[in-house]
Amino acid sequence: GAGVSQSPSNKVTEKGKDVELRCDPISGHTALYWYRQSLGQGLEFLIYFQGNSAPDKSGLPSDRFSAERTGGSVSTLTIQRTQQEDSAVYLCASSLSGQAYEQYFGPGTRLTVT
Amino acid sequence: AQRVTQPEKLLSVFKGAPVELKCNYSYSGSPELFWYVQYSRQRLQLLLRHISRESIKGFTADLNKGETSFHLKKPFAQEEDSAMYYCALRLNSGYSTLTFGKGTMLLVSP
Repeated sequence: GAGVSQSPSNKVTEKGKDVELRCDPISGHTALYWYRQSLGQGLEFLIYFQGNSAPDKSGLPSDRFSAERTGGSVSTLTIQRTQQEDSAVYLCASSLSGQAYEQYFGPGTRLTVT
Repeated sequence: AQRVTQPEKLLSVFKGAPVELKCNYSYSGSPELFWYVQYSRQRLQLLLRHISRESIKGFTADLNKGETSFHLKKPFAQEEDSAMYYCALRLNSGYSTLTFGKGTMLLVSP
C-alpha cells in the first residue's frame, strides 16, 4: 500500500508568515509523529499522536508550533510567525500503534524561511 | 533525560574496509536501541533493532549495557552502504517516542 505522504515537498516562506505542513499516515496506523531534521541537530522529536489520546507535545520548541490530527488520520503541523531558525526538513512518521517498534517515515517537507 | 550520542559526523572508508559507527546512550533503565538509515534521496527507514539480534545488509549491532553503547558494525563496507545513519533509543517497549542521535554520514569510496 501507499506509504506516509507529506505535502508540500518544499515550502519557501518569508519570515513572519504562518505555514501549514500536512501528513497523511499509512492507513490503519494509529500512532503519528512529527520530527524536525536540521543540519548538525539530527532528528528532533516534536509531537506524538496516539489514537484519541491527548498528544505528547513535549518536543515542540515554542508556542509558535502546534499540530492537530483530524479523525485519527491526517495531521497538520502549523508554524506561526516563522523565523529563519525554523528552516529545516519536517518529517512525519506513523506506526501501527504507540508500542510498535518500527516507525515509517514520509519524504519530508523542506521548509526555507527567508 | 535520555540522550543518544553519535560522536562522528562523518566516517569515510574504502570499499572492503571494516566499518564501525559509534553510538552511546545515557539512560539508567533498560532501553530499546535502533539504527535507522537514510540513503540518498530515500526515506529514513529502520535498519535493525537490538532485540532482534539480526544481521541486516551485513550490519550487526550489539547492545553493551556496561558501556551503554550500541555500535553498528560491518566487516566489509560496500559503496551502496553510503548513507546517513541514525542511532535511536526508546525508553522501553511500552513507550512510544524515539530519541535520535545527530547522525553519522558514512561514505564508502571505491
